[in-house]
Order: sequence, then structure tokens, then C-alpha cells
Amino acid sequence: SQTIHQWPATLVQPVGSPLSLECTVEGTSNPNLYWYRQAAGRGLQLLFYSVGIGQISSEVPQNLSASRPQDRQFILSSKKLLLSDSGFYLCAWTRTNYGYTFGSGTRLTVV
Amino acid sequence: AQSVTQPDIHITVSEGASLELRCNYSYGATPYLFWYVQSPGQGLQLLLKYFSGDTLVQGIKGFEAEFKRSQSSFNLRKPSVHWSDAAEYFCAVVNTGGFKTIFGAGTRLFVKA
Repeated sequence: SQTIHQWPATLVQPVGSPLSLECTVEGTSNPNLYWYRQAAGRGLQLLFYSVGIGQISSEVPQNLSASRPQDRQFILSSKKLLLSDSGFYLCAWTRTNYGYTFGSGTRLTVV
Repeated sequence: AQSVTQPDIHITVSEGASLELRCNYSYGATPYLFWYVQSPGQGLQLLLKYFSGDTLVQGIKGFEAEFKRSQSSFNLRKPSVHWSDAAEYFCAVVNTGGFKTIFGAGTRLFVKA
């Protein structure tokens, strides 16, 4: 069966520090991969998606970047975190037009 | 542009009562529609989906949803709510091309004893 792993579960980082969140999928190949951010009490904001290795589409210009170095690995990064980067980050995968399977999320607090 | 509206920010129902969460979408063609549930501090879980065919779809945990094209709605229902159903519920539609899902703002469900 397909599973998705996302880590770490929680992270507290100082302003100006770098960030790396990792997401991996097992049990499938060539998935569509996504990073969402959910601010407190708000809906989901699509940050990046990828339909293949090295193919990244950015939805919102910001302080973050994404990479897909392997078929089932999706990484969210930042060189210098801002306070406004705090939030709940969710990775998800899907086949086109099917429902998402989400990871368990990373709670990022920038202090 | 496609959009999803969940008119109710939060709803409170008594345990054992019936539930209906509203969802309206804006989409030019036949939409692919979804409902997800999110418990606090967790990722989202797919409850059910509609692609075509029977307009009443069954999902996990006793939920169902009905697609009504004339009303551009995809409301989620459950005949008897359990305390464990307290969570946030998101309606979603897949955009043209199928690469991106557009989510509603969510409805927070509170269940009272």
C-alpha cells in the first residue's frame, strides 16, 4: 500500500535560519507531489507542486523553494526564515484527478 | 476561475443528531469533487469523492455526499453524529487539467454531548 512520510513533526527555528522539510512517498511511482501551508484557523494554501523529477511549479512568490531530487522525494526549503513562515506544512501526493493522500504535517514556529 | 465556498465557518450539533455541511463550487465543466476531514494537529484524510455517475456517493466513517449540478452543490451528510466526528471538514474541487485541488476555507464541527 502507498504511504507518505513527512518529518519532522514539529520544529522551532529562529528568524533568519535555514529550513528543510522532507516528504517521501512509498508504494507508488511518478506521483504528483504537493506542499501546502495552513495558517492558524485558515484554509490550505498551495505552495508548490511537482509532476515529475526536477519539475516544480510555484503558486505563491515567497521566501520558500521546493525541490524534487528523486521520484518520490519532495523537499521544502528556505535560506532565511521569516516570522510569517510559521504555520502547519502539509505534504501530499496523488495521481491526476484522484484524491490526495496527506502526510501528518510539520508544525513550524519561527521565533 | 474555479472556486469552492463553504458558507459555514463552524457548526455545532448534538451527538446522535444528523449533520449536513454545505459546499458550493464554481466550475465550468463537470467537476471532480472531494470532502476531507482534519483532526487537530493532523493531516487531512479523504472522506469521499465524486467523479461521475450516481450523484449520491458513500464515504468512510458513515459519511455521504450528494452532487447537485443545478445548485452547484456537494453537501456532506451523516445521519447520526458521534463525538469523534468533531474536526474540520474541507470541500475541494480539482481544477482543469487535474494537477491542482482547490480547497474551501473549511467548516469546524463541534459535537456536544
